Amino acid sequence: QKEVEQNSGPLSVPEGAIASLNCTYSDRGSQSFFWYRQYSGKSPELIMSIYSNGDKEDGRFTAQLNKASQYVSLLIRDSQPSDSATYLCAVSLLSGSARQLTFGSGTQLTVLP
Amino acid sequence: GAVVSQHPSWVICKSGTSVKIECRSLDFQATTMFWYRQFPKQSLMLMATSNEGSKATYEQGVEKDKFLINHASLTLSTLTVTSAHPEDSSFYICSAGEFGQGNSPLHFGNGTRLTVT
Repeated sequence: QKEVEQNSGPLSVPEGAIASLNCTYSDRGSQSFFWYRQYSGKSPELIMSIYSNGDKEDGRFTAQLNKASQYVSLLIRDSQPSDSATYLCAVSLLSGSARQLTFGSGTQLTVLP
Repeated sequence: GAVVSQHPSWVICKSGTSVKIECRSLDFQATTMFWYRQFPKQSLMLMATSNEGSKATYEQGVEKDKFLINHASLTLSTLTVTSAHPEDSSFYICSAGEFGQGNSPLHFGNGTRLTVT
């Protein structure tokens, strides 16, 4: 059983629409949750981090966490073609000052102009 | 913000040779660094956890004698792929967290594309 699951996609949305990316995790002891964006051939870059239940907004991005349901999501408002990438959900157990991440397989997002 | 530098960004080597990849935290101290490998169209897979001043912890299925990790200082970890073979061709990525920051997210290097011919 995968520890972090994401729909692989591809997910296509028109420019200006809201893109919704979902992730579930199996370990109830997970403490930290991250969304990374990865362009083809590049390293992941951090988009959002969330540690407590509820919503966290940063610009066009909103992360939502529901620990009871073991579910974390990322909403991208006013999607742009430059948002086209693979989005990786990552989950971590508490491990001190640095975090060991378990990644989902990623969701490929395409924003159509 | 925190920056992790990884070098080289790409390397081509012949089968049987060894390749060293460096990972540096430029503006923070990282007691722990992580090495990941990513094959095409797949997600990142953790290979090992590199601890400053001690032996690395390897994930199941990763050969510690083939992938040598040295974390000699708080800002530098190296991964050496020994006797590389074509099946070792992959994208290798390091990451590090800020020393003393409990909920600090990891920061990734730019990755190293290894091609073994």
